[in-house]
Amino acid sequence: NAGVTQTPKFQVLKTGQSMTLQCAQDMNHNSMYWYRQDPGMGLRLIYYSASEGTTDKGEVPNGYNVSRLNKREFSLRLESAAPSQTSVYFCASSVYLGTGNYEQYFGPGTRLTVT
Amino acid sequence: DAKTTQPPSMDCAEGRAANLPCNHSTISGNEYVYWYRQIHSQGPQYIIHGLKNNETNEMASLIITEDRKSSTLILPHATLRDTAVYYCIALNQAGTALIFGKGTTLSVSS
Repeated sequence: NAGVTQTPKFQVLKTGQSMTLQCAQDMNHNSMYWYRQDPGMGLRLIYYSASEGTTDKGEVPNGYNVSRLNKREFSLRLESAAPSQTSVYFCASSVYLGTGNYEQYFGPGTRLTVT
Repeated sequence: DAKTTQPPSMDCAEGRAANLPCNHSTISGNEYVYWYRQIHSQGPQYIIHGLKNNETNEMASLIITEDRKSSTLILPHATLRDTAVYYCIALNQAGTALIFGKGTTLSVSS
């Protein structure tokens, strides 16, 4: 049981390049999320997918697209990278167990630098 | 979801109790208080949550005031490995995403 996995762990892009960040979970969770964390800041929600086949914008969706490929996988794409997208990206998945027990698990993060 | 307010930083001596406060004066009746922590830029880790009763698990205790406008996370015997950023989050039962603030940076020293 690997939990939430993310690839790659590190990436350097030039301005204007594109790339896809991959995320997978093996806990059979319905909901998945992408967050970004800038230095000294808390995490900000980019996009989320409440269930397979659905995606919704979060707080900072501009410049990103997502795909919920199946129940396990949720990818984040940068079509034309900009220096402002330099950040650490976290993927997460969650399940609601009732009585407010809302378990969310995070991946190890992808550290992206755009030059 | 209610906004939460936490002090930016706190210090604690190793072996002592760490008491981390959180204000959530606008919390509504169906919103739970969650605590997560983030150690050295790893992914955040769930600690504990509660609605109105005090809660305890193997990691920590959560004390919620009777009016639910504030809460305190207690790490009973802090260790150096508890040095982290601690986030207090209010989330309603129907909510699907955690909204993170800047949290409290707890520094545990020997």
